[in-house]
Amino acid sequence: QQQVKQSPQSLIVQKGGISIINCAYENTAFDYFPWYQQFPGKGPALLIAIRPDVSEKKEGRFTISFNKSAKQFSLHIMDSQPGDSATYFCAARGEGSTLGRLYFGRGTQLTVWP
Amino acid sequence: DGGITQSPKYLFRKEGQNVTLSCEQNLNHDAMYWYRQDPGQGLRLIYYSQIVNDFQKGDIAEGYSVSREKKESFPLTVTSAQKNPTAFYLCASRDRGGNEQFFGPGTRLTVL
Repeated sequence: QQQVKQSPQSLIVQKGGISIINCAYENTAFDYFPWYQQFPGKGPALLIAIRPDVSEKKEGRFTISFNKSAKQFSLHIMDSQPGDSATYFCAARGEGSTLGRLYFGRGTQLTVWP
Repeated sequence: DGGITQSPKYLFRKEGQNVTLSCEQNLNHDAMYWYRQDPGQGLRLIYYSQIVNDFQKGDIAEGYSVSREKKESFPLTVTSAQKNPTAFYLCASRDRGGNEQFFGPGTRLTVL
């Protein structure tokens, strides 16, 4: 069973536009929600992360919006650039005996056209 | 430079052979993880280890084995029992008190 559901699977955005990727989860015990960015042939790298006691976090052009009651969170990329073209993964962290383990969404392949 | 190294970058294996993927980190992290990545499947956890000499199965451990004899090393063996081993394998590590998992560059395994 997929613990974190991510959509869309692929996204095409024009340069300067806004890219929005959505994720949903069921387990209310999750306590940390990171987004990772991955370029082809490389390992993922942390982009931005949020805890459930905060509704929004912004770092430069990247913003996470978090809705605890709806158990949803999303990544917004403002002024999208061709260099943002990559695969993005949302994730959620377990707790207790699985402390530190991340449950990943299936990924969104973002293409930004110049 | 601190970081995670995986070797080799590309690996080819014949069916029926076992193969070991290397993962080394010099970040002094306690926890280490192995993931498998297939197109459209995201990252699926194979095994993880929170301390030396201890490890737990992830979601898709069948056909894989690991060891954690040293803090800095967490090798993954893909055995002949793994029915579909062709994939991109990623190793990650995390500091005990930290949130972020740091990923290595990956090993692409192809079974011929």
